[in-house]
Amino acid sequence: DAGVTQSPTHLIKTRGQQVTLRCSPKSGHDTVSWYQQALGQGPQFIFQYYEEEERQRGNFPDRFSGHQFPNYSSELNVNALLLGDSALYLCASSISDSGAEKAFFGQGTRLTVV
Amino acid sequence: EDQVTQSPEALRLQEGESSSLNCSYTVSGLRGLFWYRQDPGKGPEFLFTLYSAGEEKEKERLKATLTKKESFLHITAPKPEDSATYLCAVQSASKIIFGSGTRLSIRP
Repeated sequence: DAGVTQSPTHLIKTRGQQVTLRCSPKSGHDTVSWYQQALGQGPQFIFQYYEEEERQRGNFPDRFSGHQFPNYSSELNVNALLLGDSALYLCASSISDSGAEKAFFGQGTRLTVV
Repeated sequence: EDQVTQSPEALRLQEGESSSLNCSYTVSGLRGLFWYRQDPGKGPEFLFTLYSAGEEKEKERLKATLTKKESFLHITAPKPEDSATYLCAVQSASKIIFGSGTRLSIRP
């Protein structure tokens, strides 16, 4: 059983560019959440997708957007990249409406903005 | 405002020296408290979920406990392979809020 997979693993972009990160959830999971983790910090919630809709959103600007596809996979898009967007981006999948959800994380995408 | 605070930020122990990590939280409507282990450059790995005060969970050398305001992760007779960052998270509605973690280092 494949767990949560993310691509690419590493990415270098120039300030002002746009980036798309991808996530395939664990088999049987229908909910995908995205997190940003700066060095030495805990993950910060960006948003969550369920049934192809954004269900919850953290304190991130509109430059951060996402999408969920019918097969439950998801993309995170970041426009007009800033140096401060450099971080590990984590995708977590879970089963919705299961009470306290237990999220399974992917290995992350390390984004470096130069 | 929902908040999670972990202490200490870093902890260095000798192999076999038991200790505890603390996670204090303020959240409206706690649905669950989670402990994760994270190795450098990797995603967090799920360890435990606790749902209500008084609950305890164990896995190998780790035991997690929960009160109404905090959770403890007790590590008994740790080994060097237990070195990692341990993250605590709480669930409020559908959002999960993480603490900044405790970096645990076990010296042989």
